[in-house]
Amino acid sequence: DADVTQTPRNRITKTGKRIMLECSQTKGHDRMYWYRQDPGLGLRLIYYSFDVKDINKGEISDGYSVSRQAQAKFSLSLESAIPNQTALYFCATSGSSLIDTQYFGPGTRLTVL
Amino acid sequence: AQTVTQSQPEMSVQEAETVTLSCTYDTSESDYYLFWYKQPPSRQMILVIRQEAYKQQNATENRFSVNFQKAAKSFSLKISDSQLGDAAMYFCASDQGGSEKLVFGKGTKLTVNP
Repeated sequence: DADVTQTPRNRITKTGKRIMLECSQTKGHDRMYWYRQDPGLGLRLIYYSFDVKDINKGEISDGYSVSRQAQAKFSLSLESAIPNQTALYFCATSGSSLIDTQYFGPGTRLTVL
Repeated sequence: AQTVTQSQPEMSVQEAETVTLSCTYDTSESDYYLFWYKQPPSRQMILVIRQEAYKQQNATENRFSVNFQKAAKSFSLKISDSQLGDAAMYFCASDQGGSEKLVFGKGTKLTVNP
């Protein structure tokens, strides 16, 4: 089984809808991250969490919210989706130090019409 | 804010040849980490190699090696004996000198020609 799973893998939705992307990990890591990838822009950090009680905004948090339900689960929500949130979304986890490898999930392709 | 620049949107290489992907970064910190990630068509992000800035020795991982020039803030990736499976997007990334967050470049698409 994969160490980091994301659901759904693909989603098409309409403007104004609420969307939740879920991430689960079996690595036992404390640190979890949400990134967004757009063509030609690389990956940009949306939110990150160093433990269950620690949530931090990243570079592009506007329009997004997160929930760390447990050490192994970190969800990303779009309260009212808009077309420019169409992107590939990645969840990642790492150990106690950044030098530890960040393990990425398979990504969620989100399309907002 | 720290930036990471990959000046080559696309590169190509013949199978079995060597290719170098460029990356420059901007930081005021003296200690930081640098990474190269590979994203094949499957879109999975895979760590290729990492370098700790305080280490002068360039990191190597099998056919992958880096040329780390701290004064020039340059961190290039060399792929030797290129294989068809090396075809992918390659992203350079850096932390912000202790912020525990990664900043990624925009990526270089590598094509390997048979």
